[in-house]
Amino acid sequence: DAGVTQSPTHLIKTRGQQVTLRCSPKSGHDTVSWYQQALGQGPQFIFQYYEEEERQRGNFPDRFSGHQFPNYSSELNVNALLLGDSALYLCASSLSGPNSPLHFGNGTRLTVT
Amino acid sequence: DQQVKQNSPSLSVQEGRISILNCDYTNSMFDYFLWYKKYPAEGPTFLISISSIKDKNEDGRFTVFLNKSAKHLSLHIVPSQPGDSAVYFCAASAKAGGTSYGKLTFGQGTILTVHP
Repeated sequence: DAGVTQSPTHLIKTRGQQVTLRCSPKSGHDTVSWYQQALGQGPQFIFQYYEEEERQRGNFPDRFSGHQFPNYSSELNVNALLLGDSALYLCASSLSGPNSPLHFGNGTRLTVT
Repeated sequence: DQQVKQNSPSLSVQEGRISILNCDYTNSMFDYFLWYKKYPAEGPTFLISISSIKDKNEDGRFTVFLNKSAKHLSLHIVPSQPGDSAVYFCAASAKAGGTSYGKLTFGQGTILTVHP
């Protein structure tokens, strides 16, 4: 039973560029959340998708956008990259009901130079 | 505004002894709490959770205690093993939309080292 898979594992981009990160949820999960983890910090919530719609959003600018596909997979897009966007981006999947723990992928390490 | 705080950046324990990791929160709307463990180059792994209607939940060597009046929770690991060495995050959630839970708010993490 495959867990949450993310691609790519590492990425280097230049300031001002755009990036797309991808996530496949754990089998049976229908909800996908994205988190940003800076060095030495806990993960910060970006947004959550359910039924192909953004259900909840954290305190991130509009440069961060996402999408969920009918097969529940998801993409995170970041436009006009800043040096401060360098971080580990974590995708997590869960069931839509209450008290459903998040299952995380291993993340994509994004470096903006 | 750090709504979930883990005030100890690190903890060192001898194998076989008890590890106690602490977490404080400020948002009284939080009603579901979780602990995650993270190894380097891996995503966080769910360990144990507790709903605000309980004050204790056990799963094998792991026990989470919740003190709602103090807005404090702790994770006890007994006995500690070298393989438990990792970063531990506590996280909290409040019901969103009346039926499901949205975002998790994480603490900064505590690095646990268990010495053989």
